[in-house]
Amino acid sequence: AQSVTQLGSHVSVSEGALVLLRCNYSSSVPPYLFWYVQYPNQGLQLLLKYTSAATLVKGINGFEAEFKKSETSFHLTKPSAHMSDSAEYFCSVRHLFGNEKLTFGTGTRLTIIP
Amino acid sequence: DGGITQSPKYLFRKEGQNVTLSCEQNLNHDAMYWYRQDPGQGLRLIYYSQIVNDFQKGDIAEGYSVSREKKESFPLTVTSAQKNPTAFYLCASSITQLDRADAGELFFGEGSRLTVL
Repeated sequence: AQSVTQLGSHVSVSEGALVLLRCNYSSSVPPYLFWYVQYPNQGLQLLLKYTSAATLVKGINGFEAEFKKSETSFHLTKPSAHMSDSAEYFCSVRHLFGNEKLTFGTGTRLTIIP
Repeated sequence: DGGITQSPKYLFRKEGQNVTLSCEQNLNHDAMYWYRQDPGQGLRLIYYSQIVNDFQKGDIAEGYSVSREKKESFPLTVTSAQKNPTAFYLCASSITQLDRADAGELFFGEGSRLTVL
């Protein structure tokens, strides 16, 4: 079975400060890991994904995430927050070997403070 | 441009009525999914389909039904048996091949917000 835990349902960060959104996963086989972003009343958009290549993954809008197998973590970071980063962020895990379902975390709402 | 179209964006329903949400994709994806989103609960899988004329129940299928008669279309019916249908519904699609750069990625529609009066 696979699962995802996102620590912190709400995170507030000052504009220009570091953004850190935490994600831990459990998986019995090597996973594919994803971060998606959702703006109000919209669908989800892929930010970045890890697929067993480089452990440091760069995505859109200046975000990046590092896969740490020993910590079973895939935390999302951005060096300098922008007002437009205010949104909800979802971490997710998926196996591509006989299981086509994607498991989502409960989401973290990020608010950027001017 | 390729993408996923959900309609309607907003829908109101009286208790006891069935309602069907439309989802159409022109990405040539084999797999399609329906998720329900409630505040603080993330996304929960209702149904998914990996090929035409076949679909599987997700984690919360009770009170919902789907069909997959065409590759492009995966409509969701919210029946009167669904006790708490007010939610935001998201449709998604993906490829099923494992050797492509976009393997595993879900492409989402803009969502449909259903409110039961």
